[in-house]
Amino acid sequence: RKEVEQDPGPFNVPEGATVAFNCTYSNSASQSFFWYRQDCRKEPKLLMSVYSSGNEDGRFTAQLNRASQYISLLIRDSKLSDSATYLCVVNYNNNDMRFGAGTRLTVKP
Amino acid sequence: EAGVTQSPTHLIKTRGQQATLRCSPISGHTSVYWYQQALGLGLQFLLWYDEGEERNRGNFPPRFSGRQFPNYSSELNVNALELEDSALYLCASSLPGTGGEKLFFGSGTQLSVL
Repeated sequence: RKEVEQDPGPFNVPEGATVAFNCTYSNSASQSFFWYRQDCRKEPKLLMSVYSSGNEDGRFTAQLNRASQYISLLIRDSKLSDSATYLCVVNYNNNDMRFGAGTRLTVKP
Repeated sequence: EAGVTQSPTHLIKTRGQQATLRCSPISGHTSVYWYQQALGLGLQFLLWYDEGEERNRGNFPPRFSGRQFPNYSSELNVNALELEDSALYLCASSLPGTGGEKLFFGSGTQLSVL
């Protein structure tokens, strides 16, 4: 099993749609989790941290399920500018931040 | 304020040569991380430096090495280059005490091994 696994997509959705991405991780001792966003040919940037209680930032909601070892990202009311690759990141051990391969999202008019 | 800067932007080498990649973190950041992003693959953790010391290392052979200087800038060295080393190498920095949880990335060095 990969350390951090994501559905590569691509997810092609119309503007205004709701889309959800899941990510599973193998190390049950992992303590912190994040979603990063990477635009084409650009560096990754932190989108949001994922807390045990779940957290929301505008149209973005992140959830953590420790029992099943997965995290999710929900994007509501998709915008064209949301088109990017979304990277699931797990603090695997001692700042060894493991990245998933990413899920590509394209939002179409 | 300047972000994380990496040089060179592009580097072309032949198999067996050595490559040196450089990274300057954001001012005030003491931790520097190196990642490899091969085409179509996720970021693979290479090395973590903090306060001049190597703190953690990913699953890469010893020919991948580096160091961190007193000004917190860092160098990644790849010896005996192989074709599969062709990738985008990303450097990231973080504030002390944040545990690497908020990484700020540079634009990367695209290494091509011919």
